[in-house]
Amino acid sequence: NAGVTQTPKFQVLKTGQSMTLQCAQDMNHEYMSWYRQDPGMGLRLIHYSVGAGITDQGEVPNGYNVSRSTTEDFPLRLLSAAPSQTSVYFCASSVDPNYEQYFGPGTRLTVT
Amino acid sequence: AQSVAQPEDQVNVAEGNPLTVKCTYSVSGNPYLFWYVQYPNRGLQFLLKYITGDNLVKGSYGFEAEFNKSQTSFHLKKPSALVSDSALYFCAVRDGGDFNKFYFGSGTKLNVKP
Repeated sequence: NAGVTQTPKFQVLKTGQSMTLQCAQDMNHEYMSWYRQDPGMGLRLIHYSVGAGITDQGEVPNGYNVSRSTTEDFPLRLLSAAPSQTSVYFCASSVDPNYEQYFGPGTRLTVT
Repeated sequence: AQSVAQPEDQVNVAEGNPLTVKCTYSVSGNPYLFWYVQYPNRGLQFLLKYITGDNLVKGSYGFEAEFNKSQTSFHLKKPSALVSDSALYFCAVRDGGDFNKFYFGSGTKLNVKP
């Protein structure tokens, strides 16, 4: 049981490039979410999903897209990277929002 | 608007002493509150939650939290700190209107000195 996995662990992008952060969970959780963590600001919700085919925006969705084609996978796409998107990104999952979330190890992204 | 405040960036405590990490919240409706801990270069780990019931909630690793509705607070406590408790602690609240959204505090770094 691997829990929540994220790839890559580190990534450096140039401004304007696009990329996809991968997230997968093997716990059959319906609820999945993406957060960004910035110093002094805690975690902020980017997008979330309550099941395959259902996604919605969180607090800071601009510049990011998501899709949920399977229960297991919830990739986050950066359409055109900007330096303001330099951050640590965490994916999380839970049975449903009433329960605790399980977090992945994070992806540290730097945009130059 | 929903929000969580952790007024202390850092808390220092000696090993064996009690510790408190403070959290206040603002949410419409009944609050669902959580505490998470983050060790260096790791994801967050769940400690405990309050949904309803007793105001004193017990969680993992000997931590507990006290819910106070009148003061809109949910402080994390432990009777006797360990050096291994040194980490970053986050309080979180579920959105009172959209139950699928969560708001996290800015985090409090706990330093436990031997």
